Amino acid sequence: GESVGLHLPTLSVQEGDNSIINCAYSNSASDYFIWYKQESGKGPQFIIDIRSNMDKRQGQRVTVLLNKTVKHLSLQIAATQPGDSAVYFCAEIGNSGYALNFGKGTSLLVTP
Amino acid sequence: ETGVTQSPTHLIKTRGQQVTLRCSSQSGHNTVSWYQQALGQGPQFIFQYYREEENGRGNFPPRFSGLQFPNYSSELNVNALELDDSALYLCASSRRGPQNRVGELFFGEGSRLTVL
Repeated sequence: GESVGLHLPTLSVQEGDNSIINCAYSNSASDYFIWYKQESGKGPQFIIDIRSNMDKRQGQRVTVLLNKTVKHLSLQIAATQPGDSAVYFCAEIGNSGYALNFGKGTSLLVTP
Repeated sequence: ETGVTQSPTHLIKTRGQQVTLRCSSQSGHNTVSWYQQALGQGPQFIFQYYREEENGRGNFPPRFSGLQFPNYSSELNVNALELDDSALYLCASSRRGPQNRVGELFFGEGSRLTVL
C-alpha cells in the first residue's frame, strides 16, 4: 500500500548551518510531493512542492530534491534560523489525485 | 494566515457524545478537505467535499460525516465519540485544478478535540 516515511524523527542543527530532512515514499504512482512545516499549536504550512517531472526545485532558502529511482525526496534549508524550528512533513498525492498522504514528521530543533 | 478559519479551537467531549466542527474556506476555494492528526503523527485524510458532495474518503467509519455549504464552508460531524477520536482536526481548502486534481492546500489552525 501507499506509505510515506521519514528517516529521522528528530534533527538538531546549529543556527546558520544547513539542514537536510529526508523522506521515502513507496507509491511509484505518486506524482506530486509537498513539504509542510507545522509549528506548535498551528496547522501545516506549505513550504514547497515538486512534481514528478522535475528532480529539483528551489524556493527562498529551501530546495527540494526528488529521486524517483529510489523513491526519495529531501528538503534542504539553507542557513537555518531559530524560526525554522518546527515539525516538517513530506506528503504525496498518489492515485486518488486529491488525498494527501503524510509521513509522521521530523522535528527540527535549531540551537543558537 | 491562510484565510482558513476553524471553530471551535478547543473542546472537550465524553464518550458517546456527538461533535460538530466548522470550517470557513479561503476566498475563491471550492474544495474542502478534513484531516485528523493524532498527537505525534502526521495528518490522516478523512474526506473531501466538492460542490457540496463528498468527493473521496479515507479509512474512517461512517460515524464521521460532513457537509459543504453553497458558500464552500464545511462541517465535520463525529457521532458516538470514542477515546481514540481525541486529535487535532484540520480543515484545508483548495481550488480544484486541471483533471480534477486538488491544488495547493491551505490549512486552518485546527480544532483540538479531547474525548474523556
